[in-house]
Amino acid sequence: DIQMVQSPSTLSASVGDRVTITCRASQSISNWLAWYQQKPGKAPKLLIYKASSLENGVPSRFSGSGSGTEFTLTISTLQPDDFATYYCQQYNGYSWTFGQGTKVEVK
Amino acid sequence: EVLLEESGGGLVQPGGSLRLSCVASGFTFNRHEMNWVRQAPGKGLEWISYISTSGSTIFYADSVKDRFIISRDSARNSIFLQMNSLRAEDTALYYCARVAYSSSWSSKGGFDMWGQGTMVTVSS
Repeated sequence: DIQMVQSPSTLSASVGDRVTITCRASQSISNWLAWYQQKPGKAPKLLIYKASSLENGVPSRFSGSGSGTEFTLTISTLQPDDFATYYCQQYNGYSWTFGQGTKVEVK
Repeated sequence: EVLLEESGGGLVQPGGSLRLSCVASGFTFNRHEMNWVRQAPGKGLEWISYISTSGSTIFYADSVKDRFIISRDSARNSIFLQMNSLRAEDTALYYCARVAYSSSWSSKGGFDMWGQGTMVTVSS
C-alpha cells in the first residue's frame, strides 16, 4: 500500500502569511493527488485535484504543485477562514490513502 | 440541492453488526462511483471502500476486508455498508463520498461531495 506523509503536523501562522504544506508518497503516484480542507464538525472539502488543478469555487490563493512523490499545498495569503486541518490524498487504481493531516492554527 | 445523507450509525457491541445507508439527491447517482471514508474521533481520514457505477467493481481497505460489504441500489439512489464482526477500532464517523469528475467526464481522482457522516461506536 502507498503511504502518505504530511509535514508539518501542526503549523502556526498569522493572517497574511504564506503557508506551505508538504506531502510525500512512499512511491510514485504521478499527479494523482488531491488536497482537502476540514473544519471541526464538518466534512472535508476538495480544494485541489490532480496535484495542481483548482476545484470549482475554491479561492485562487490556494495552489498545488508536484508530481511523482513530492507535493505541496500553498496558501498565498492566509485568511481567517483558512484556519483548519488539511489532508492530502493519493489515488492509485481504486485505492485511496490520506496523509495524517496538517493543522493550521493561529500563531 | 446536491446532497448525500448517511444514516444507520449507533452503539454496537464488539462482534456485532450494523448497516449504514447513504442516500443521494440532486445529481445523476448512477453516473458516479462512490466510496465510504471514516474518521475516528480526533484522528485523520481513512478510505475504506469503493463501488463502481454498476456495482460490479468493489474494493476495500485491508482494515475492513472480509468484514465489511459495500453495495448500491440505483432505484433508491443509495449505497450501503454492511459492517460485521465490529471491533473497538471501527469506532468512527462514517462518511459516504462521491468521486469527482470533470465536465468532460474524466476522473479527478478526489472526492467532491461528502455527506455529514454517521457515527458508529463499538463498545461493550
